[in-house]
Amino acid sequence: KQEVTQIPAALSVPEGENLVLNCSFTDSAIYNLQWFRQDPGKGLTSLLLIQSSQREQTSGRLNASLDKSSGRSTLYIAASQPGDSATYLCAVWDDYKLSFGAGTTVTVRA
Amino acid sequence: DVKVTQSSRYLVKRTGEKVFLECVQDMDHENMFWYRQDPGLGLRLIYFSYDVKMKEKGDIPEGYSVSREKKERFSLILESASTNQTSMYLCASSLSPTGGSNQPQHFGDGTRLSIL
Repeated sequence: KQEVTQIPAALSVPEGENLVLNCSFTDSAIYNLQWFRQDPGKGLTSLLLIQSSQREQTSGRLNASLDKSSGRSTLYIAASQPGDSATYLCAVWDDYKLSFGAGTTVTVRA
Repeated sequence: DVKVTQSSRYLVKRTGEKVFLECVQDMDHENMFWYRQDPGLGLRLIYFSYDVKMKEKGDIPEGYSVSREKKERFSLILESASTNQTSMYLCASSLSPTGGSNQPQHFGDGTRLSIL
């Protein structure tokens, strides 16, 4: 059974600092990997989807890398802003469904 | 933009009631999913459907059933609600069953269900 782990569980940084969020998974036979953002009491917003054949994917200040062989992905958020405060979830597509990590809760201090 | 709409944001029901949670998507997606989210346990898949009238069990199907009579609508049914089903329920849809062709999974805003 796929296990997805996100470290750290929580992170607090001053505004302007770059964020690095880590995700690891136990079974490297994944189809793809998706990063989400969740605000308190809300649903999930898709940030980036990395195909299994890709090494990274970028959208604005966000960059996600994928190393399938080692079972790792990293989400980088450049020049963090208070509006980036949220929980970030990593999920891997395997066996035609998503398996989620527990998330990293980020607080960006103004 | 893809829109996944869940019929209720908050719902309060009593133990033993039959509860229906409705989800509608507007992008003609074949695949639809129901998850529950609990503190410390994360998101867990209850059921998913890859076509009309088709359904597959996820990781925690016990106590739940689903219905998909139309492509755009996927319903989650709690046959006899119990207090341990108090949770946040999230519906999602996707064009691809695997995230292929850069087709991500899209989520609704969630229904916070309380069983008293």
